[in-house]
Amino acid sequence: EDQVTQSPEALRLQEGESSSLNCSYTVSGLRGLFWYRQDPGKGPEFLFTLYSAGEEKEKERLKATLTKKESFLHITAPKPEDSATYLCAVQALSGYALNFGKGTSLLVTP
Amino acid sequence: DAGVIQSPRHEVTEMGQEVTLRCKPISGHDYLFWYRQTMMRGLELLIYFNNNVPIDDSGMPEDRFSAKMPNASFSTLKIQPSEPRDSAVYFCASSFYTRGNTIYFGEGSWLTVV
Repeated sequence: EDQVTQSPEALRLQEGESSSLNCSYTVSGLRGLFWYRQDPGKGPEFLFTLYSAGEEKEKERLKATLTKKESFLHITAPKPEDSATYLCAVQALSGYALNFGKGTSLLVTP
Repeated sequence: DAGVIQSPRHEVTEMGQEVTLRCKPISGHDYLFWYRQTMMRGLELLIYFNNNVPIDDSGMPEDRFSAKMPNASFSTLKIQPSEPRDSAVYFCASSFYTRGNTIYFGEGSWLTVV
C-alpha cells in the first residue's frame, strides 16, 4: 500500500531562517510526487510536480528535490507570508489520484 | 480561467438529512476527483472519474455516499442519510493529464452535520 509520511508535523521559523520539510514515501511505481501549499480555509494550491529521482524544481524561495525514497521542500530565507500547511502527495503508476501525507504546518515569525 | 468551482461553500444540516455537494471542473479537464479532509485523517480520496466514468470508488466510506458525473462540466457528491461523523471539508479537483498532469483543487465545501 502506498504511504506518505511528512515531518515535522509543525515547524516554527524566524523570518530569514532557512529549513527543509521532509516527505518520505513508499509507492509501487511512482508516476509523480506533488507538493501543495494550503492556507487556512482554502483548497490546496499546486506548487510542484517531480517525476524522477534527481529532479529539482524552484519557485521563489522554495526548492523541491526528489530521491527514490523521499522528497525535500527547502525554504530559503522564509517570510511570514510563507506560513501555511505544506502537503506532499504521490501519484502511482497504477492510477491518477493523489495519496497525501498529513502535511507540515509552517509558521514564520517576523 | 475560473478554476474548480464548488457549492455550497458551507452547509450545516441535521443528522439524517440528504446533502448534495456540487462541483464544476475546469473546462477541458478530463479527470475529476473528490477528496475529504479532516484533522484526524488528512486528505482522503473518495472517488475519481475519467471522461465522466468512475474509475476508483474504493475510498467511498459506505453506501450512504454516492457520486455522479452526468457530463464533463458537472459532478455531485451525495450523502444520504448524513451523520455527524461526515462533518469535514469536501474538495473537488480536476486535471488534464496529457497537458501537464497538474491537479487543481476547488476551495472546498465545509459540511457540518449536527
